[in-house]
Amino acid sequence: QQPVQSPQAVILREGEDAVINCSSSKALYSVHWYRQKHGEAPVFLMILLKGGEQKGHEKISASFNEKKQQSSLYLTASQLSYSGTYFCGTERAAGNKLTFGGGTRVLVKP
Amino acid sequence: KAGVTQTPRYLIKTRGQQVTLSCSPISGHRSVSWYQQTPGQGLQFLFEYFSETQRNKGNFPGRFSGRQFSNSRSEMNVSTLELGDSALYLCASSPRGTYNEQFFGPGTRLTVL
Repeated sequence: QQPVQSPQAVILREGEDAVINCSSSKALYSVHWYRQKHGEAPVFLMILLKGGEQKGHEKISASFNEKKQQSSLYLTASQLSYSGTYFCGTERAAGNKLTFGGGTRVLVKP
Repeated sequence: KAGVTQTPRYLIKTRGQQVTLSCSPISGHRSVSWYQQTPGQGLQFLFEYFSETQRNKGNFPGRFSGRQFSNSRSEMNVSTLELGDSALYLCASSPRGTYNEQFFGPGTRLTVL
């Protein structure tokens, strides 16, 4: 079952913060985050395993709330280069297929 | 290291035809996954191959098939093309599987007329 991402789109000014959520109705083993810029292939950001750990990539960090089956991606002090579509992918068990959400389009303006 | 390469980059076919797409993973990567990307459906998982064996499969009809060779290169085949098969087909490779970081190729843009 496809995870649900919210919001579907967000517009930011440089330096502003944003949060992207990824929710599943099923228990999850891991959550993966990728960013895809227009006309390019998706690029890996990070993987979070159940256990509620938080990870970071530059000024982008994420958390995984196992009880809520929800992951949140935090864009802090956004830069123009953060523009793109962010996808979360979820695994229900180790080695299972990765199911991606519909994506969140992020536009960072000067 | 060279990245993931996919050929061809663009394809135009007509309904009912068959198509084969190719993916060469990063050297040393044994896992290759295929995804279909459309504006309406986002990224949809097709299948994953690891060491020539299909390890996972998405919810696509049997018209979609794939295989992996001993050198880890992979091909995806779609038979009896339908208009709805028009999409960007992405291939991704990783050392051990989809539970690791995946490296995506540039994709093959398939248009079915």
